[in-house]
Amino acid sequence: KQEVTQIPAALSVPEGENLVLNCSFTDSAIYNLQWFRQDPGKGLTSLLLIQSSQREQTSGRLNASLDKSSGRSTLYIAASQPGDSATYLCAVRNLGSNTGKLIFGQGTTLQVKP
Amino acid sequence: EAGVTQFPSHSVIEKGQTVTLRCDPISGHDNLYWYRRVMGKEIKFLLHFVKESKQDESGMPNNRFLAERTGGTYSTLKVQPAELEDSGVYFCASSQRETGGGTIYFGEGSWLTVV
Repeated sequence: KQEVTQIPAALSVPEGENLVLNCSFTDSAIYNLQWFRQDPGKGLTSLLLIQSSQREQTSGRLNASLDKSSGRSTLYIAASQPGDSATYLCAVRNLGSNTGKLIFGQGTTLQVKP
Repeated sequence: EAGVTQFPSHSVIEKGQTVTLRCDPISGHDNLYWYRRVMGKEIKFLLHFVKESKQDESGMPNNRFLAERTGGTYSTLKVQPAELEDSGVYFCASSQRETGGGTIYFGEGSWLTVV
């Protein structure tokens, strides 16, 4: 059974710092992995989607990497800003599934202090 | 282009009552999903529609939950009768035709409180 873990559960950093959020999954047979952002009281915003054949994806100050064999993904945020404060979620889609079912981690709540 | 929209955004009902949540996916998206997050837990899959057909309903917790997608457009999720443990956020999501490969887009959620 696929399990997704995100560590740490919470993180507080000063503005301008580069940071890394971690996501691990127990079954490496995944189709893809998606990183989301959730602001308080809001829905999920898709940040990056990495297919299983890819090693990384970049969007602006965000870079997500995927090491499928070791069951790990990281989300790197460069030059963090207070507006980056949110909960970051990773989710995987298993291979062999004919559905789009995502399995989520519990998220990392990030606070960037001015 | 409108994103995934959900209604109501918030609902407070008494135990034993019925609530119906509605989701309008992004136009042209055949795939529609329901997820929920209960307090302190991770977001969990409930079910997946492809057009009007249920592709996977393995996450539906029990028979008090009924999801429909008549005509393959919007979907409803009915909880009847509601129990205290049903409180949480119900997210709807959609994606384009090809399953498994594309980005899944989420709505802002319907926040349900059962008292």
